[in-house]
Amino acid sequence: GAVVSQHPSRVICKSGTSVKIECRSLDFQATTMFWYRQFPKQSLMLMATSNEGSKATYEQGVEKDKFLINHASLTLSTLTVTSAHPEDSSFYICSAPQGGSGEKLFFGSGTQLSVL
Amino acid sequence: DAKTTQPPSMDCAEGRAANLPCNHSTISGNEYVYWYRQIHSQGPQYIIHGLKNNETNEMASLIITEDRKSSTLILPHATLRDTAVYYCIVLRPSGSARQLTFGSGTQLTVLP
Repeated sequence: GAVVSQHPSRVICKSGTSVKIECRSLDFQATTMFWYRQFPKQSLMLMATSNEGSKATYEQGVEKDKFLINHASLTLSTLTVTSAHPEDSSFYICSAPQGGSGEKLFFGSGTQLSVL
Repeated sequence: DAKTTQPPSMDCAEGRAANLPCNHSTISGNEYVYWYRQIHSQGPQYIIHGLKNNETNEMASLIITEDRKSSTLILPHATLRDTAVYYCIVLRPSGSARQLTFGSGTQLTVLP
């Protein structure tokens, strides 16, 4: 099946630094990718929709200046957590629809961010 | 998209069938039932989806009641590696990329 690769799988950083997470669709093109966040023992919450060649769409309550999303190519979307703080510590997961569209999503393996 | 209700947790003996229920009483005629699962500290994995007919693939079977108000995901021979949170999601296909809204799911624990 289709593969979505997400890196890094785990990152520990100091408060105030920025962290970039990459999400790649390995064998298909994705004009749209989705970024989710998951806190311990909670379900996934959609943060934003990444659109190739245009601005991302953010969910209510998600700061677009803090969570910068870039979707520069049909196979790569990046999420940068700027000036990270301990409350940003979470599990971040990207996903892309199979074949570029539709409801069947393939998910990356997730990135565990720990901000000290 | 229709709301779904799932039990918060279930146990199943290894090698036995795991039957995970989902209630979606407000489902409309053009909405599909999707199932995903999330093993701890991993991204969710697609399992199966259906509209009204029962579906089967290499991972599981999906049984949808005739009135479509509920469904059951069946893992025929559960293994320890099937321990995960299982999410039932109902939505209407749009032909374009759609985000998924995850509820709280069912934590399935397969016991040795």
